[in-house]
Order: sequence, then C-alpha cells, then structure tokens
Amino acid sequence: GAVVSQHPSWVICKSGTSVKIECRSLDFQATTMFWYRQFPKQSLMLMATSNEGSKATYEQGVEKDKFLINHASLTLSTLTVTSAHPEDSSFYICSATRVPRGPNEQFFGPGTRLTVL
Amino acid sequence: AQSVSQHNHHVILSEAASLELGCNYSYGGTVNLFWYVQYPGQHLQLLLKYFSGDPLVKGIKGFEAEFIKSKFSFNLRKPSVQWSDTAEYFCAVMPNYGGATNKLIFGTGTLLAVQP
Repeated sequence: GAVVSQHPSWVICKSGTSVKIECRSLDFQATTMFWYRQFPKQSLMLMATSNEGSKATYEQGVEKDKFLINHASLTLSTLTVTSAHPEDSSFYICSATRVPRGPNEQFFGPGTRLTVL
Repeated sequence: AQSVSQHNHHVILSEAASLELGCNYSYGGTVNLFWYVQYPGQHLQLLLKYFSGDPLVKGIKGFEAEFIKSKFSFNLRKPSVQWSDTAEYFCAVMPNYGGATNKLIFGTGTLLAVQP
C-alpha cells in the first residue's frame, strides 16, 4: 500500500510554454501532498505544501505565480510550471501523507524530469 | 533556518564492510528523523524513522540508526553491506512544531557504491 504515482515521468517543452505535472495517491487518501525540486547531485528542496481544498503553502523563494499547485481531491495534486524557462529544468518529486498533521511518513512518487529548451 | 548535513558525499565500500553514514541537523527543538534510500532509477523509499522512545532504531534490510540528541545526530549504520545496497541515502528531519506541520528537510545525500 501507499503508492504514489506521477505523470508524466519526463517532459520536454519549449521555453514560454506551461507544463502540468500530476501526482496521485493510488491506494490511500492524501490530505497533504508535498512538491519538491531536485537539482543534479543535490538534495530535495521543498517547494510547497498542498492541502486538499485549500491554497498551497509555498516555501520562501518559490514563486507561487510560476508554480501553480492545485489539490482538488484527496488523491490528486497538480503542479503547473507556467511560462517555463530553461532554468526551470529539474527533477520534480511529489510526496503524500495519510494524515494532515503531525509526524508521519511521506510516500514519494517516482519524479518527473522536466527539460525546457 | 534549519538544516541537515550529511558529511559523506560519496562512499565506496567492498561487500561485507561495515557502513556508517553521518547526519547532523540544526534545530533546537523536538524533531522526528528519517533515512530514505533511492536505488538507481527508483523513487525514494523509507529505510527507518525515529519519532520517540528508544534512540536506536532498526529499519529494513539490516539498517539501523542512533539518535544522539546531545550531538544533534542520527547516523545510519549497517554491519555488513551488500552490492544491492548501492544507492543514494538521504537523511531528513521533521521539526516538530507541536504537530502543526510535517515538513521534511533533507540532507544533500550520500552516494554509496558497494563493490562486489
């Protein structure tokens, strides 16, 4: 149990276009989902925390108008990179927890590699 | 700001050697601690976690970690590594703000290569 999927697994787009990445919890309800960004040979950096039915909470330095997050249901969160530029190229990973608060394990998706030309 | 340090970026061991990966964090309050592993081409998986109680935590695949509060450390150990342990290992800390959040802060990762 506790499987998280992401779609697509990789995407290449032209500069200036928008890209949507989906994160789904397949066998549990995820009241909280997290979006991370991972640069080559670096750690995962938390971008935002997404709670079902409410606005996402963004980390300092993350542009909320550029990285739109929607958590419309208990099994789906989406990250839209708007007007993508080459510097947005990265590996985007989502995770989900079963309960909204408190110490809990996060279950990670396989990641989406975005390349912006 | 809170941070997590993993001092070893690359570790190369022979099979059957013992492993210890260091992890230190900077946060003065209560924390929950995790070690995640990422095998080549796969997603992050939980190795073990510490929330409270016995500071020596046992995880999957023979791994264990010890929380030493006075040293702000949570080092990962395995007495005898196998080739299949080749992976990247991430230490992560969840500051416990009285249950108000479950945000994870990751270390930079340690790439372990085990030679057969």
